[in-house]
Amino acid sequence: QVQLQESGPGLVKPSQTLSLTCSVSGASIGIGRYYWSWIRQPAGKGLEWIGRVHISRSTKYNPSLESRLTLSVDTSKNQFSLKLSSVTAADTAVYYCARVKIGATEFDPWGQGILVTVSS
Amino acid sequence: SSELTQDPAVSVALGQTVRITCQGASLATFYASWYQQKSGQAPVLIIYGKNNRPSGIPDRFSGSTSQDTASLTITGAQAEDEADYYCNSRDTSGNLWVFGGGTKLTVL
Repeated sequence: QVQLQESGPGLVKPSQTLSLTCSVSGASIGIGRYYWSWIRQPAGKGLEWIGRVHISRSTKYNPSLESRLTLSVDTSKNQFSLKLSSVTAADTAVYYCARVKIGATEFDPWGQGILVTVSS
Repeated sequence: SSELTQDPAVSVALGQTVRITCQGASLATFYASWYQQKSGQAPVLIIYGKNNRPSGIPDRFSGSTSQDTASLTITGAQAEDEADYYCNSRDTSGNLWVFGGGTKLTVL
């Protein structure tokens, strides 16, 4: 059973960089049949797709975040990561990592989510 | 703004049937997927593809698509089905993913 787990700081200061890691267990991230994605959800609001990365290092980003976003993958650690620069309070949200099969639209499974608050 | 449009809230009487819809141009090309999210929990995939349910999802949940509108139907809604429901799909280019704004389902 594949499981994903987000980790990283729960508090980030405005203008700094938000960095999160998603650890994958139960499957090798290096298989190549999947994209590894990030999704976020501000409190009381809907889901927003952030972007996805493949082990080939190819990426696709939400255009609204692209200028501040970097996704990467580390096959040696079976992890993938998110870096979002120049954060503001609007980036405060629960961040989820999830897997999507190449050619599919559905995300499954999801991590449990991690709350990141941007505040001084 | 989302490229997939959902009604913000829907209600259903216990044991009755309810349909939650998701409208967007990309749905004429790509299937929608549906997620159930209960308070404080991560979303859970409940419908994907033409009308597929992951293991463990009750068969009272079903999905369908007509032109640019996807529907999630719950036949015989239960109290535990009260939750937020989100659709997602690709955008019209196929390169990006999008979510609907979500529908809050109340079971009366």
